[in-house]
Amino acid sequence: EAGVAQSPRYKIIEKRQSVAFWCNPISGHATLYWYQQILGQGPKLLIQFQNNGVVDDSQLPKDRFSAERLKGVDSTLKIQPAKLEDSAVYLCASSFQGGKNSPLHFGNGTRLTVT
Amino acid sequence: AQSVTQPDIHITVSEGASLELRCNYSYGATPYLFWYVQSPGQGLQLLLKYFSGDTLVQGIKGFEAEFKRSQSSFNLRKPSVHWSDAAEYFCAVENRDDKIIFGKGTRLHILP
Repeated sequence: EAGVAQSPRYKIIEKRQSVAFWCNPISGHATLYWYQQILGQGPKLLIQFQNNGVVDDSQLPKDRFSAERLKGVDSTLKIQPAKLEDSAVYLCASSFQGGKNSPLHFGNGTRLTVT
Repeated sequence: AQSVTQPDIHITVSEGASLELRCNYSYGATPYLFWYVQSPGQGLQLLLKYFSGDTLVQGIKGFEAEFKRSQSSFNLRKPSVHWSDAAEYFCAVENRDDKIIFGKGTRLHILP
């Protein structure tokens, strides 16, 4: 099966600019996650979707980050305006239905550098 | 609050030597535990998981992990490492809200 697709792979922007990341999950996977991985740390969950509804966005900095999953398939994550501390790898993951018996499948991530 | 501690930031072993990566967790109930591997420039891949039952869990690529409740540990082991095992390894615990919390990772270096 095709894996989780993310684009772009790399992005360099200046602070206060905006940026968007795209994720296409594995076909048929209902649950989609966005993680932020800062250098030297483990991934941190930003937002979780079940189909096109938000399950958890408690750690999403909503003043600058937004995400949507229209039609319950592809998803975009946007940052506006970006700050230096947003430099990180943004990982998208999907699972068949969420929960303990549904493993996560990760994309290769988008590496964001904010200068 | 649930947490995961990986005490070693870097580990270096010689090719063919045995490996043990440490993981300690903090969780009130029976934990659901995972080990993931991340190769450079790639996403995370699940190596193995523990939900219940046998405390010695077998995973992919020849890895295994042992759950020890008395020590709150879930250490990852491999009897003989290969150069291709060089990567970053993350231990994770799933909390009551089905959220996976990752440790900070251990980067494994392999000497030829």
